Amino acid sequence: QKEVEQNSGPLSVPEGAIASLNCTYSDRGSQSFFWYRQYSGKSPELIMSIYSNGDKEDGRFTAQLNKASQYVSLLIRDSQPSDSATYLCAVNPPDGQNFVFGPGTRLSVLP
Amino acid sequence: KAGVTQTPRYLIKTRGQQVTLSCSPISGHRSVSWYQQTPGQGLQFLFEYFSETQRNKGNFPGRFSGRQFSNSRSEMNVSTLELGDSALYLCASSLGYGTGLNYGYTFGSGTRLTVV
Repeated sequence: QKEVEQNSGPLSVPEGAIASLNCTYSDRGSQSFFWYRQYSGKSPELIMSIYSNGDKEDGRFTAQLNKASQYVSLLIRDSQPSDSATYLCAVNPPDGQNFVFGPGTRLSVLP
Repeated sequence: KAGVTQTPRYLIKTRGQQVTLSCSPISGHRSVSWYQQTPGQGLQFLFEYFSETQRNKGNFPGRFSGRQFSNSRSEMNVSTLELGDSALYLCASSLGYGTGLNYGYTFGSGTRLTVV
């Protein structure tokens, strides 16, 4: 059973702070990892992808991957109220099967 | 470039009826996946189609079915609707199957189905 776990939250951070979102996965052979943002009542939107160990930065977002620990994280620097959403971690298993999504972490950025 | 188009956006059906949802992927994308999203269960995988063939199927009853046409457009059908089928149904397209998934999904806006 492939699993992706996330803290459901809500995670509350003050405006301007760093928000840290975490995700663990069970399938050690997984190669591709994605973060999606979903605003209430909207569909998920891809914001970051990462394939190699280490950090990948894109603007205020940094994805971190540690395959040995089977751990993926998303850091949001200078958090804004507009970042308030549910963040979904998705993992692409190595066997060509469909993505496995985590339950999502609800982030609330307080003005 | 047009995104993933799902129709209809909203649907209200009665228990026992059937429903068909439609999804047109991004031009050039050949993989279409369907997900059910509910507050309690999150995103649950229904099935994936690539080149008109069902490649993967989730753990849903046989009342849920789908198909893909030669132009990559996809439909899913739910027969004998139950109250528990009320959910947001999301379609996602991707460039390919398998390694093509490295590109990630692009989701449509979804169809919100309410069964009364």
